[in-house]
Amino acid sequence: DAGVIQSPRHEVTEMGQEVTLRCKPISGHNSLFWYRQTMMRGLELLIYFNNNVPIDDSGMPEDRFSAKMPNASFSTLKIQPSEPRDSAVYFCASSMGGQATQYFGPGTRLTVL
Amino acid sequence: AQSVSQHNHHVILSEAASLELGCNYSYGGTVNLFWYVQYPGQHLQLLLKYFSGDPLVKGIKGFEAEFIKSKFSFNLRKPSVQWSDTAEYFCAACYNFGNEKLTFGTGTRLTIIP
Repeated sequence: DAGVIQSPRHEVTEMGQEVTLRCKPISGHNSLFWYRQTMMRGLELLIYFNNNVPIDDSGMPEDRFSAKMPNASFSTLKIQPSEPRDSAVYFCASSMGGQATQYFGPGTRLTVL
Repeated sequence: AQSVSQHNHHVILSEAASLELGCNYSYGGTVNLFWYVQYPGQHLQLLLKYFSGDPLVKGIKGFEAEFIKSKFSFNLRKPSVQWSDTAEYFCAACYNFGNEKLTFGTGTRLTIIP
């Protein structure tokens, strides 16, 4: 299995631009998680889906952030408009649900200038 | 609020030294506990997990952790570290049965000196 796949691996953009991060979970996993990692705040859960339905989005910082999971094999995290404080590493993870082990992707390092 | 505390922010050890990294969680009810490792430039990988049963859990690469309910602790141990153990270590907890949300500690950076 290829594991969780994220793209792009690195993204540099200017303030005000729209950013879209993509994730492909491990086949057969039915839960998908988006995390953000920063030096100041560590690892934070932004949102997670189960069977393509958002279950907990309490970690989404503000309306500029949105996430979708149109099918079992794809999810996006969008930031519009982006701001310098959004600079972080964004991880996607997937699991088989029911508090099973979460498997993490390689992350997307986002830099907003 | 539910939280996970890792009090050691940066630990420096020599090779062959013994390791213990502290982790405390805040909730007194049912909790599942995890240790993840992040090697430089890599993504998080699961080291070990505790759901129930034997409170001494063995993981990969010679790591183990002990769940002590009375102390709300889940400390990570390794009797003899190697240079390749240099990484960041994260303790995490899943507090609510039926909710898969993981709460992470702030991480402990471990540096092993050859």
